[in-house]
Amino acid sequence: SQELEQSPQSLIVQEGKNLTINCTSSKTLYGLYWYKQKYGEGLIFLMMLQKGGEEKSHEKITAKLDEKKQQSSLHITASQPSHAGIYLCGAASGAGSYQLTFGKGTKLSVIP
Amino acid sequence: NAGVTQTPKFQVLKTGQSMTLQCAQDMNHEYMSWYRQDPGMGLRLIHYSVGAGITDQGEVPNGYNVSRSTTEDFPLRLLSAAPSQTSVYFCASRRSANQPQHFGDGTRLSIL
Repeated sequence: SQELEQSPQSLIVQEGKNLTINCTSSKTLYGLYWYKQKYGEGLIFLMMLQKGGEEKSHEKITAKLDEKKQQSSLHITASQPSHAGIYLCGAASGAGSYQLTFGKGTKLSVIP
Repeated sequence: NAGVTQTPKFQVLKTGQSMTLQCAQDMNHEYMSWYRQDPGMGLRLIHYSVGAGITDQGEVPNGYNVSRSTTEDFPLRLLSAAPSQTSVYFCASRRSANQPQHFGDGTRLSIL
């Protein structure tokens, strides 16, 4: 079965600093999804990457997909307290599969 | 926009009791799924459905039953609750295999 490993497990940064979260798959990636979760709440969809080399940005968050490395990265520029939360990556279990496997998450804290 | 609605938000049960966690979506999504989220374990798939009348097991199905009589609803049943089922449960839906999953806000379940 597919496994997604996220690194780091937790991260504490000072407001205004840049940071990167990585998600590495044990198998070929068929679509990669990034979600954010605040404590006690549900998962909010951030971005979806489907093709190797694809890069998407939304406000100060950029996600990239490296198909050859079976890896995705999530980069936050000039972090703000509102970026704090748990970031999870999810990937399809196979080509055309509806099922998603998730990493264990990266907990981000942003110190004002 | 209601999206994915889960009820109840919180529940405390005694060992051996039964209950049903409700999930409804108003987006006409064919695919629905149930996950549990535990510290250090991430999100694990319990059961999923690719359409009304069709359900299948995920990674951790034991102790749970599901049914899908309509496109909108996908209830999760605990037949005889055990302390190991204490967790946060998330329901999700998606339109197709290349679209993101939308999550409900979760049900926090404690089994005493």
